Amino acid sequence: EVLLVESGGVVVQSGGSLRLSCAASGFIFDDFAMHWVRQAPGKGLEWVSLISWDGGITHYADSVKGRFTISRDNSKSSLYVRMNSLRTDDTALYYCVKGHSGNYKSAFHVWGQGTMVTVSS
Amino acid sequence: QSALTQPPSASGSPGQSVTISCTGTSRDVGGSDYVSWYQQHPGKAPKLMIYAVTERPSGVPDRFSASRSGNTASLTVSGLQAEDEAHYYCSSFAGSSNVLVFGTGTKVTVL
Repeated sequence: EVLLVESGGVVVQSGGSLRLSCAASGFIFDDFAMHWVRQAPGKGLEWVSLISWDGGITHYADSVKGRFTISRDNSKSSLYVRMNSLRTDDTALYYCVKGHSGNYKSAFHVWGQGTMVTVSS
Repeated sequence: QSALTQPPSASGSPGQSVTISCTGTSRDVGGSDYVSWYQQHPGKAPKLMIYAVTERPSGVPDRFSASRSGNTASLTVSGLQAEDEAHYYCSSFAGSSNVLVFGTGTKVTVL
């Protein structure tokens, strides 16, 4: 069974930093692109960032570019996102998502349960 | 990159069909092979329902189908069942800017 377990979500002050982690199991991690997707309370889905299977390609939403850094450790089957200069509008449930294939353009196939980040002013 | 446009709500009676639209531009929906659809029940993580514009993952009922015409993609749920009541989101890869974008979401109500 494919399993994605996020961790690291906390309450942090505006301007602060945070690192989220995602532990993956049940599939060959380094065969697939990975993503972070977030959902603010009561709002829709927002794609945040992607990383290719080997970490060589990363892309970011304009809203987080320059502040967030996605990374992965294939030896640990883990995905990360470093979040700096956090703002109140970064408050959301952050999902770790497995890509449908090694192609980073493909669909969001399997989702974790999310970890909540709250940025207070 | 702006969010794709979906109607806020749609509804139908059990057994009927409902179709949800997802309108973008030639830079995303109209020009991408990577259009997908997701179902989200309250308090749950989203679930992939359609990928590559029209393909259904294993385990998704064939009551769910999708198509595209120009810059608008559509998801049709046939033979509506109570369990289909959920939010639905489309998504597309936007090649010109190398980003993925979601639709605004549609709440489907089974009357």
